[in-house]
Amino acid sequence: DAGVTQSPTHLIKTRGQQVTLRCSPKSGHDTVSWYQQALGQGPQFIFQYYEEEERQRGNFPDRFSGHQFPNYSSELNVNALLLGDSALYLCASSSGQIDQPQHFGDGTRLSIL
Amino acid sequence: RKEVEQDPGPFNVPEGATVAFNCTYSNSASQSFFWYRQDCRKEPKLLMSVYSSGNEDGRFTAQLNRASQYISLLIRDSKLSDSATYLCVVKVERGNKLIFGAGTRLAVHP
Repeated sequence: DAGVTQSPTHLIKTRGQQVTLRCSPKSGHDTVSWYQQALGQGPQFIFQYYEEEERQRGNFPDRFSGHQFPNYSSELNVNALLLGDSALYLCASSSGQIDQPQHFGDGTRLSIL
Repeated sequence: RKEVEQDPGPFNVPEGATVAFNCTYSNSASQSFFWYRQDCRKEPKLLMSVYSSGNEDGRFTAQLNRASQYISLLIRDSKLSDSATYLCVVKVERGNKLIFGAGTRLAVHP
């Protein structure tokens, strides 16, 4: 039973570029949430997708956008990258029921030069 | 003020020690509470949920005080493998987003 899988594992970009990160949820899960974790901080909620729509959004600018596909996998896109976007990006999946715990993937470590 | 606050530590304790972590949250509408564990450069993993009546899982005991908006985690008989960052997490009733504290680092030494 595959857990949450994310790709790529590591990524290096330069300022101003665009990046796409990918996530496949755990089998049986239909909800995907994205988090950004800066060094020494806890994860910060970016947004959540359910039934291919953004259900909730955190305090992140419009440069951060996402998508969910019919097979429940998801993408996180970040445009016009800034140095401050360097972080570990975590994807978490859960079932549509609100009280179900979220399971995290290994994350994508994004470095902006 | 941060929504979830934790003592960042680090807590350096010998094997076998008992250690307690505290956490406070600011949103009185918070409905669900958790402790997650995160190893260095790894993803957070759910350690346990926290209930108002308090709950125990082996060497781990979690407590919730809604009136004080305070959550605690007690680890008894610490093992070397307990060394990690412990994240206090709350979920507000509306929506399903998790709000994380910055984490408390624990280092257990021989």
